[in-house]
Amino acid sequence: GESVGLHLPTLSVQEGDNSIINCAYSNSASDYFIWYKQESGKGPQFIIDIRSNMDKRQGQRVTVLLNKTVKHLSLQIAATQPGDSAVYFCAENGAGNQFYFGTGTSLTVIP
Amino acid sequence: EAGVTQSPTHLIKTRGQQATLRCSPISGHTSVYWYQQALGLGLQFLLWYDEGEERNRGNFPPRFSGRQFPNYSSELNVNALELEDSALYLCASSSATGGKFQNIQYFGAGTRLSVL
Repeated sequence: GESVGLHLPTLSVQEGDNSIINCAYSNSASDYFIWYKQESGKGPQFIIDIRSNMDKRQGQRVTVLLNKTVKHLSLQIAATQPGDSAVYFCAENGAGNQFYFGTGTSLTVIP
Repeated sequence: EAGVTQSPTHLIKTRGQQATLRCSPISGHTSVYWYQQALGLGLQFLLWYDEGEERNRGNFPPRFSGRQFPNYSSELNVNALELEDSALYLCASSSATGGKFQNIQYFGAGTRLSVL
């Protein structure tokens, strides 16, 4: 039968370079956002979160930027390593405890 | 401390059969969420249980159902399986006591359901 291609946006970076993964969210009322990393064969793993009263939050080698004006979120990974190769999802939480996940971006780190 | 555990890891069924997937949340977590992840796609929200009650469900037909037990573990049932139900089914748990901004969902490794 016909094979179905991946729907994921992809990003390839050289080891040691910085990576920027972007996410557009849909609900202007969303006030809490999380980035997840999903390695092959595993469930999504929490990376970093940010509330809507912040524009920037830093973790270990990762920074999340939030632009509420254009409903845009980005994840910056410094000095990208082969272990960073994975699919990255942003999730937005508007009302209640329900999160809505983006399609994801597949990051490949080239040694 | 054990994370979210799901069983079985893989499940193979034929069209029309029923599938039952199980999830044990992190100890102390009362909320359980189910998601469907078709190959190469994002996570589609299925169901949310908290304190034994269904709190919300996504845009899926009624043949997708589940329940949460008194020990907060959960079961997802899919009746009358169709080929397009083939996907990775992920379970996540969170603690409702921390408030919305501590409501991080922690995921299991998933159950890979294949419908032939």
